[in-house]
Amino acid sequence: NAGVTQTPKFQVLKTGQSMTLQCAQDMNHNSMYWYRQDPGMGLRLIYYSASEGTTDKGEVPNGYNVSRLNKREFSLRLESAAPSQTSVYFCASSEAAGLAGTNEQFFGPGTRLTVL
Amino acid sequence: GNSVTQMEGPVTLSEEAFLTINCTYTATGYPSLFWYVQYPGEGLQLLLKATKADDKGSNKGFEATYRKETTSFHLEKGSVQVSDSAVYFCALSEGTSYDKVIFGPGTSLSVIP
Repeated sequence: NAGVTQTPKFQVLKTGQSMTLQCAQDMNHNSMYWYRQDPGMGLRLIYYSASEGTTDKGEVPNGYNVSRLNKREFSLRLESAAPSQTSVYFCASSEAAGLAGTNEQFFGPGTRLTVL
Repeated sequence: GNSVTQMEGPVTLSEEAFLTINCTYTATGYPSLFWYVQYPGEGLQLLLKATKADDKGSNKGFEATYRKETTSFHLEKGSVQVSDSAVYFCALSEGTSYDKVIFGPGTSLSVIP
C-alpha cells in the first residue's frame, strides 16, 4: 500500500516549457487535490477533484490545468511555465466517507519545481 | 472568508521543554479543526483533529482542544523530543461537499538536545 505517489520528485524547467506532474493514490479515495507550498504562505489549493469525472478550481488555478484520468490518478499540467510557479507541489487525497469536512487528507511526498 | 492564523516561527526549544503553538481561526459555520505535521523532505501528515466544540484531539503526546468561544485550537505537548522537529500546520475544513481544507502558514519547530 503505497498511499499517494508523485512523480517526478524534482524538476527544473525553463520559462515557457511545459510539463505534467503525475499523482496516483491506491486508497480508493474519491477526492484528490493539488496544492502548492511557498515559504510563509502555507499550502494553497490549485485544483481539486471531488469525485471521479469532476474537477474544479481552487484558490490559485491560473497557469495550471488538471486531468482526473480515473479514480486513482490526478495530473497537474503547466502549459507555459513561469518563474512565479517555482514551488513545491503536493498532491493529496481524501475518502470523503464521513461527513464532508471531517476527513483526513493524505499527502504525497511532493515535487520540487524550479522555473528559470 | 474563512482563515487560519498561527504564531510566527521559528520556535526553538530544548529537549523536554513544554510546547505551545497558538492557532486561531475565522469561520462562518462549524468547521473541523486539524493539526498537520511536515517532517523535513516529506509531505504533510495528520497529527490530530477535532470535529466539534470542546473536543480534544490527541496523538503522540500532542493535544489540542477546540475552543469555539475563543476560536482557538492551540497545540501543546508536555515534553518535546528532538524527533518532534518539524513544521506544524493548523487547518480548518469548511465542511462543504468535499474536504476543502484551509491551512495556516505553518510554524517551524526545532528541538535541540
